[in-house]
Amino acid sequence: DADVTQTPRNRITKTGKRIMLECSQTKGHDRMYWYRQDPGLGLRLIYYSFDVKDINKGEISDGYSVSRQAQAKFSLSLESAIPNQTALYFCATSDLRTGDTGELFFGEGSRLTVL
Amino acid sequence: QKEVEQDPGPLSVPEGAIVSLNCTYSNSAFQYFMWYRQYSRKGPELLMYTYSSGNKEDGRFTAQVDKSSKYISLFIRDSQPSDSATYLCAMSNNNDMRFGAGTRLTVKP
Repeated sequence: DADVTQTPRNRITKTGKRIMLECSQTKGHDRMYWYRQDPGLGLRLIYYSFDVKDINKGEISDGYSVSRQAQAKFSLSLESAIPNQTALYFCATSDLRTGDTGELFFGEGSRLTVL
Repeated sequence: QKEVEQDPGPLSVPEGAIVSLNCTYSNSAFQYFMWYRQYSRKGPELLMYTYSSGNKEDGRFTAQVDKSSKYISLFIRDSQPSDSATYLCAMSNNNDMRFGAGTRLTVKP
């Protein structure tokens, strides 16, 4: 089983719909992240959380919200999806020891299409 | 200007070739420099990381960092078809991490 699991892996939705992407991890890491990947733009940070009571905005948080339900669970919500949120979304984890060095552990991605 | 610039390619080489992948950056505060490898339909995986300037070698892979020029490189020797993937550079300082757009590499048998 994957250490970082994302659901759903693929989702097609319509403009204005609420969407939730879920992430769970078995690595025991405290830090969790949500990124989006777009061709030509690379990975951009949406939100991150260093523990259950800590939530921080990233580079591109507008239009998104997150919830850290437990150490192992971090979900990303699009309250009212729009077409330019069509992208590949990645959840990632790191621990305190390696977080600053840049070692992130990624899930396999959730491909979201907003029509 | 983007904070991290990386040529997206695509780059196609024959098996056995030496591959050079590069990134430039603008923020002199970056201290950790990473290369991630991403296979198709998978998440990125850390390949190598380097702290500050210098070289680091791991098997067929060598990472170089030149902070004075704000330039990092990844060299792959004796490239194999299994090296076909997208390579993303990344750099960080105190939890502020930035990624390049990724270079798509194909190694042909």
